Amino acid sequence: SQKIEQNSEALNIQEGKTATLTCNYTNYSPAYLQWYRQDPGRGPVFLLLIRENEKEKRKERLKVTFDTTLKQSLFHITASQPADSATYLCALDMPPTIYNTNAGKSTFGDGTTLTVKP
Amino acid sequence: EPEVTQTPSHQVTQMGQEVILRCVPISNHLYFYWYRQILGQKVEFLVSFYNNEISEKSEIFDDQFSVERPDGSNFTLKIRSTKLEDSAMYFCASGPGQGVATQYFGPGTRLTVL
Repeated sequence: SQKIEQNSEALNIQEGKTATLTCNYTNYSPAYLQWYRQDPGRGPVFLLLIRENEKEKRKERLKVTFDTTLKQSLFHITASQPADSATYLCALDMPPTIYNTNAGKSTFGDGTTLTVKP
Repeated sequence: EPEVTQTPSHQVTQMGQEVILRCVPISNHLYFYWYRQILGQKVEFLVSFYNNEISEKSEIFDDQFSVERPDGSNFTLKIRSTKLEDSAMYFCASGPGQGVATQYFGPGTRLTVL
């Protein structure tokens, strides 16, 4: 059966360190993978998208890698700050049946709750 | 910056009643979605919508659910006869379309079925 696993429910790190979150999947062939941030009681906020033919994407202090052989994505936050404390979700997107004319769907992992301590 | 908006923020209803959750997607977006999140659980896909028809739907999206884009701005989710297990946070999302997968989520409607 298809499964998405994010490395742990909770991750605690010290301010200034790099946070590394893991997303592993089985029995999927995603066209792309997305990372979102979710704060309590709020909707997910899009952070980064990486396509199946891309190895790495960066945006400011964020970096995502995507290894389709290992079926794994790593999400890094460098120079972490207490304001980075939140739940981070990975989501896999399947190729839509008819590309560009089908909205497709995203399948989310359970999320990892990151706490950055001052 | 444009945002997806949802109303109401909290809806309380009795089991068996019909509810309509409303969303205003970002104005030039073409793809629309509904997701739900039961408290403490993962975000679950319900349905996606493009060009006035459903693109994909999950097993959760049974005959009790329907979606509609009644005009050029609103996107609604209707639950015909609510059950206790429909209690959840319901998120609307929209995307630019044209093969761009990024989705922008609204703040959610918390549905409580008593």
